[in-house]
Amino acid sequence: EVHLLESGGGLVQPGGSLRLSCAASGFTFKNYAMTWVRQAPGKGLEWVSAITDDGYSTWHADSVKGRFTISRDNSKTTLYLQMNSLGAEDTAIYYCAKGSSASRPYYLEYWGQGTLVTVSA
Amino acid sequence: EVVLTQSPGTLSLSPGERATLSCRASQSVSSKYLAWYQQKPGQAPRLLIYGASSRAPGIADRFSGSGSGTDFTLTINRLEPEDFAVYYCQDFGTSRTFGQGTKVEFK
Repeated sequence: EVHLLESGGGLVQPGGSLRLSCAASGFTFKNYAMTWVRQAPGKGLEWVSAITDDGYSTWHADSVKGRFTISRDNSKTTLYLQMNSLGAEDTAIYYCAKGSSASRPYYLEYWGQGTLVTVSA
Repeated sequence: EVVLTQSPGTLSLSPGERATLSCRASQSVSSKYLAWYQQKPGQAPRLLIYGASSRAPGIADRFSGSGSGTDFTLTINRLEPEDFAVYYCQDFGTSRTFGQGTKVEFK
């Protein structure tokens, strides 16, 4: 059974940094692309970042480009999202999701339960 | 960037009725790259449909997807109580963007 467990969320001051982790199990992690999607309180889904199976190619939404970095450690079956220069607009639940293939295009087959990031003074 | 517009924003229906949800793209989207997700309150989204019309494993056959080009539809036949949720479409081929969602609520 596929299991995705996000961690690392919490309260951070504006301008601060956080690193989210997503521990994956139940599938061959190194064979699949992965994605971060966020959802602001009471709002819809926003695609944030994606990474290929081997980690060599990454993509970021314009809203986070230059501030967020997606990465992965296939030996630890873990996905990461380094978030810097955080602002109130980054307050959201962050979900990691498993792609349906190694690289684009892919749909999001499985989702974790999310971790809440709150940016506030 | 492709913009996906879902309508209606809210659909008020009773169990047993049919729900028809629309997803309209600002430019043509390959039907191979159109997905639908369901999200219940306090839960993560769940994949329902990919490739515009293929049901994900474990999804009940009362859910069906159709469409091509710029117009796509998710139909839920004979609504069950557990189907009242928010539904999102996504173009995962080009823009990876999501629609703003349609809420299916109890009438």
